[in-house]
Amino acid sequence: DVKVTQSSRYLVKRTGEKVFLECVQDMDHENMFWYRQDPGLGLRLIYFSYDVKMKEKGDIPEGYSVSREKKERFSLILESASTNQTSMYLCASMLGGRSDTQYFGPGTRLTVL
Amino acid sequence: KQEVTQIPAALSVPEGENLVLNCSFTDSAIYNLQWFRQDPGKGLTSLLLIQSSQREQTSGRLNASLDKSSGRSTLYIAASQPGDSATYLCAVLGGATNKLIFGTGTLLAVQP
Repeated sequence: DVKVTQSSRYLVKRTGEKVFLECVQDMDHENMFWYRQDPGLGLRLIYFSYDVKMKEKGDIPEGYSVSREKKERFSLILESASTNQTSMYLCASMLGGRSDTQYFGPGTRLTVL
Repeated sequence: KQEVTQIPAALSVPEGENLVLNCSFTDSAIYNLQWFRQDPGKGLTSLLLIQSSQREQTSGRLNASLDKSSGRSTLYIAASQPGDSATYLCAVLGGATNKLIFGTGTLLAVQP
């Protein structure tokens, strides 16, 4: 069974803080993804990575950065958190080919005060 | 730009009913279409994946169909149960990247 874990289920931070969200997968997947999910807007892709140290911007990368130093770990960084980054953040991983599905972590509910 | 729409946004049915959830997409040049389930406050669980060359996929009481030319997919749930209550999302994979484009989901409530 593929397992994708996220470092926190709930997180409360203050405006201006630097925030790290960690995601780890145990299936040697090449591809990893960070999404945010907001009511009425659905899931939107922030960043993705198709290999170690490789990253690509998604649809809404502004205000975020990512790091992938090891294949199993993909971190999302909010350099200076703002209230409009309050959201549910979901990490996913996928094998290299395009015939596979994405496997999602349980999500992190981030609140920025 | 690919857009994915799911109608209805919410659906409530009595237990035991068969039901259909709809998904439409604007660009038929897709690689595959996927259906996911999401329980409140949780991540997504993959239900079915249909390759662009396929017409349907089945898993237990679930059957998903794909009509690429018309830009439509349906998820059929037979003999619904209260445990089926969740949000159902469809997503398409297209283009040169591994980016999934999601619909906003259908919130299903199955009443006992």
